[in-house]
Amino acid sequence: DIQMTQSPSSLSASVGDRVTITCRASQGISNNLAWYQQKPGKVPKLLIYAASTLQSGVPSRFSGSGSGTDFTLTISSLQPEDVATYYCQKYNRAPWTFGQGTKVEIK
Amino acid sequence: QVQLQQSGPGLVKPSQTLSLTCVISGDSVSSNSAAWNWIRQSPSRGLEWLGRTYYRSKWYNDYAVSVRSRITINPDTSKNQFSLQLNSVTPEDTAVYYCARDVGTVTPFEYWGQGTLVTVSS
Repeated sequence: DIQMTQSPSSLSASVGDRVTITCRASQGISNNLAWYQQKPGKVPKLLIYAASTLQSGVPSRFSGSGSGTDFTLTISSLQPEDVATYYCQKYNRAPWTFGQGTKVEIK
Repeated sequence: QVQLQQSGPGLVKPSQTLSLTCVISGDSVSSNSAAWNWIRQSPSRGLEWLGRTYYRSKWYNDYAVSVRSRITINPDTSKNQFSLQLNSVTPEDTAVYYCARDVGTVTPFEYWGQGTLVTVSS
């Protein structure tokens, strides 16, 4: 099975900072990569699919890039409401697998 | 707007069967483009996809290797819902369980159920 590895596992940044999260696949997955945001006690919310396509209603400060094995999620200007854990997920074929998550906090 | 509403017990005894149901509104379990999934989340295992059922002229299932010997996902077309059964549970099966929909051959999970915390304990 393809493994998804995220880094860092957690980060703390100031409001307005640029934040970057990395996700690496153990094999190439083309652009079949999604990013989810999960706030405490809530359901994961789809932010980005096809590696770089913003889901409807998601603020434009979120962006994604990458293809093959290396992907990034960027928050261009961190806001207090962005405090959450972020997960990548590959969906090229079963089994669908997730990264272990990156917890984002405000400094 | 697709909505998924989960139901089922929050406490299951070890060695027994975990059973959950996901009722679909705004779509059909028999859709020729959707797939209906179960995913769980625990601190030790993170987010773990368990399996799915989908209809493409006939019914298909895919299951994760980790639970393949213990899992059954069934559609119920009369009630527009699908279910999860996980047999012979242990405390390691304690998790929040989610149902979720994906559409097409290669798509992520856009719609999720509200989640059900299932604790395996005597």
